[in-house]
Amino acid sequence: DTGVSQDPRHKITKRGQNVTFRCDPISEHNRLYWYRQTLGQGPEFLTYFQNEAQLEKSRLLSDRFSAERPKGSFSTLEIQRTEQGDSAMYLCASSGSPYQETQYFGPGTRLLVL
Amino acid sequence: RKEVEQDPGPFNVPEGATVAFNCTYSNSASQSFFWYRQDCRKEPKLLMSVYSSGNEDGRFTAQLNRASQYISLLIRDSKLSDSATYLCVVNTGRRALTFGSGTRLQVQP
Repeated sequence: DTGVSQDPRHKITKRGQNVTFRCDPISEHNRLYWYRQTLGQGPEFLTYFQNEAQLEKSRLLSDRFSAERPKGSFSTLEIQRTEQGDSAMYLCASSGSPYQETQYFGPGTRLLVL
Repeated sequence: RKEVEQDPGPFNVPEGATVAFNCTYSNSASQSFFWYRQDCRKEPKLLMSVYSSGNEDGRFTAQLNRASQYISLLIRDSKLSDSATYLCVVNTGRRALTFGSGTRLQVQP
């Protein structure tokens, strides 16, 4: 499978716990994005990497959220001290050259905070 | 006001019908425009880009009116498999995409 992959696909956790999600982009893509989607809404941008550099962060990305892309390949998104409001689908997307704007999405990680 | 606004629907149409969705965006600096399709509990997938001159892909036609900041999607000869949520998407030149909340389409036999 040469698409974007995400792991885990589902995560149930208790309020206050930390969770970490992983995203593996399409191999030749140097841009990687994280979005969050809640029920009935479109995806909302969280953060963006070009190679290993985190170039943009949304105001939605509170201090409890941190994202990394240490070697410019896979990325992780960690949420510390989860809250019930963090329950959502977390989507990862990647895109290729500066002239290719299309973002390809992974299947998402569905988080439920109890 | 949301940056990208769509009628949430649902639009319930019979097979074979023609249906049109509209979308408005607030940022006049927006540079790129797309329609994505999202099936229930799945990821969004690019349906088509939208160009100023209008463009067509089979049964799907997209139009852009920059002066009115308005985007449309027309689906002709609807199929059951077209049932999904259609997301209007705008790129302002930043790398992130801005999504509307989506319009739900249900095609009925």
